[in-house]
Amino acid sequence: EPEVTQTPSHQVTQMGQEVILRCVPISNHLYFYWYRQILGQKVEFLVSFYNNEISEKSEIFDDQFSVERPDGSNFTLKIRSTKLEDSAMYFCASSEDLWAGANVLTFGAGSRLTVL
Amino acid sequence: AQSVSQHNHHVILSEAASLELGCNYSYGGTVNLFWYVQYPGQHLQLLLKYFSGDPLVKGIKGFEAEFIKSKFSFNLRKPSVQWSDTAEYFCAVSPNTGNQFYFGTGTSLTVIP
Repeated sequence: EPEVTQTPSHQVTQMGQEVILRCVPISNHLYFYWYRQILGQKVEFLVSFYNNEISEKSEIFDDQFSVERPDGSNFTLKIRSTKLEDSAMYFCASSEDLWAGANVLTFGAGSRLTVL
Repeated sequence: AQSVSQHNHHVILSEAASLELGCNYSYGGTVNLFWYVQYPGQHLQLLLKYFSGDPLVKGIKGFEAEFIKSKFSFNLRKPSVQWSDTAEYFCAVSPNTGNQFYFGTGTSLTVIP
């Protein structure tokens, strides 16, 4: 069964450092997403990406965050200068663009980011 | 703003007990509804979904959920849980107008053998 793959599975970084989280969505999917889950809290939407541009983003997704699809397969989330509060599990997801209202998210296993 | 509430944060059951996890959402328009499950150390997987039609939907592993539009609810049920059902369960809502998904805080289910 096709799956979304994420790397790294766990990254520890110092505050102020840049972090790049990588995702390989399912090949025929057209919508890509990043979500995060701070320990003990809900899964929060960060950003969605379609047709090589951001289609929607939340208030969490400030100037410190960026996304990119550098080639035909990878979808990356960059945090320019990490803060302690960025520590979370980051989930990548993708979905087909069937028609609005029929999409199902397929998630990756997540990348745990720990900022010290 | 849209929100999804899961009232049970942690549920502990013995094997063979029945399960019901609550999910309520706030959104005025037409929505699609989902339950995702996250087994320990694994990724979020789709358990079941509701788009339209019969409000009682059946998913994998004997789970079912009922959409009650008047109550804005989509509760998850299973008549007899197993130890292997120990996981985190997330309710999600997606407005029918786009590709946005909103998740609840999750319910941690522990099934004791």
